[in-house]
Amino acid sequence: NAGVTQTPKFRVLKTGQSMTLLCAQDMNHEYMYWYRQDPGMGLRLIHYSVGEGTTAKGEVPDGYNVSRLKKQNFLLGLESAAPSQTSVYFCASSLDIQPPQHFGDGTRLSIL
Amino acid sequence: AQSVSQHNHHVILSEAASLELGCNYSYGGTVNLFWYVQYPGQHLQLLLKYFSGDPLVKGIKGFEAEFIKSKFSFNLRKPSVQWSDTAEYFCAVKGNNRLAFGKGNQVVVIP
Repeated sequence: NAGVTQTPKFRVLKTGQSMTLLCAQDMNHEYMYWYRQDPGMGLRLIHYSVGEGTTAKGEVPDGYNVSRLKKQNFLLGLESAAPSQTSVYFCASSLDIQPPQHFGDGTRLSIL
Repeated sequence: AQSVSQHNHHVILSEAASLELGCNYSYGGTVNLFWYVQYPGQHLQLLLKYFSGDPLVKGIKGFEAEFIKSKFSFNLRKPSVQWSDTAEYFCAVKGNNRLAFGKGNQVVVIP
């Protein structure tokens, strides 16, 4: 049982480049979340999804887009990366509206 | 929207010492409360949670937390820490269907 899998684990981008982070879960969870973790800031919710085909903005959505075309996948996109988006990104999922209990291992993203 | 405050961001203590991490929140309605732990290089794991009932909640690895409604607090405690408790600890509060995390406490236990 893989749980929540994030790819890639590390990435370095140049300012202005675009990329997509992939999150996959095999637990048939309805809810999926993307957080960013920055030193001294805790976790901040970027976007979340309450089911296939739905997405919603979280606390810090600007500069990101998401898609939930399949129930098991939740993609986070950066259209034009900025240095302020240098962070560790965590995907999470939960069965229902309860807070996430299953987190991925994180993606460390550096933008130069 | 609710907010969560965690004080003493960096805590250093010796093995066998007692640990208490404070968590205060600001939200007047019904809340669910959580503590997560993130060990070095790992993802977050749920340590314990409070929904209702007994305000003293016992979690994994000897941790417990007490919900004091009048103080809007949910402090985490462990009577005797081990080196393996070195980690970052996050308090989270869910209210009005929104979950807010605190900024975390970095705990270092010295052998």
